[in-house]
Amino acid sequence: NAGVMQNPRHLVRRRGQEARLRCSPMKGHSHVYWYRQLPEEGLKFMVYLQKENIIDESGMPKERFSAEFPKEGPSILRIQQVVRGDSAAYFCASSPILPGQPNNEQFFGPGTRLTVL
Amino acid sequence: AQKITQTQPGMFVQEKEAVTLDCTYDTSDQSYGLFWYKQPSSGEMIFLIYQGSYDEQNATEGRYSLNFQKARKSANLVISASQLGDSAMYFCAMRNYGQNFVFGPGTRLSVLP
Repeated sequence: NAGVMQNPRHLVRRRGQEARLRCSPMKGHSHVYWYRQLPEEGLKFMVYLQKENIIDESGMPKERFSAEFPKEGPSILRIQQVVRGDSAAYFCASSPILPGQPNNEQFFGPGTRLTVL
Repeated sequence: AQKITQTQPGMFVQEKEAVTLDCTYDTSDQSYGLFWYKQPSSGEMIFLIYQGSYDEQNATEGRYSLNFQKARKSANLVISASQLGDSAMYFCAMRNYGQNFVFGPGTRLSVLP
């Protein structure tokens, strides 16, 4: 049973380009979360999605960032016109059950490290 | 709003000794969960231990135990018999009913031979 998959593991972009980060949740999981980790900091929640629905995007920057989780295929975090401040590690997590239960562990992927030159 | 505080940016411990990593939290909810994750230099997030707010006993998982003091809103992680492989960043996290994870800033643990 494969864990959460993220690709690419490392992504280098120049300022102004687009970055697409992919996340395939664990088999049987239908809830996906994206977090951003700046250097030497903890993870900050960005967005929570179920299949074809954005449930909570309160942590997403208002501009340039978008996320989707289509019926088929991985979840995508898209950053348009990247800037140097977007350089960070982006983690995806998935969980199998409703988020209403506090003991709902989230299983994390290995992360994508984005570097903006 | 929920908040996690980890006041120790860095900690050192001698191999085979025990170490306590501090975590305090702030929430007005009665139902919540507390988690500890380990992040080695390779970058992945590894789940260590979970404590529910209604659990009466402290959680234990092998060499990890969680010292849960609800009145003080603290959830310290205790690692017994430290190993060199325990050197990593450790994050305390909380989630409330229906909400997402809130992470602390982390503590970097270094185990000395």
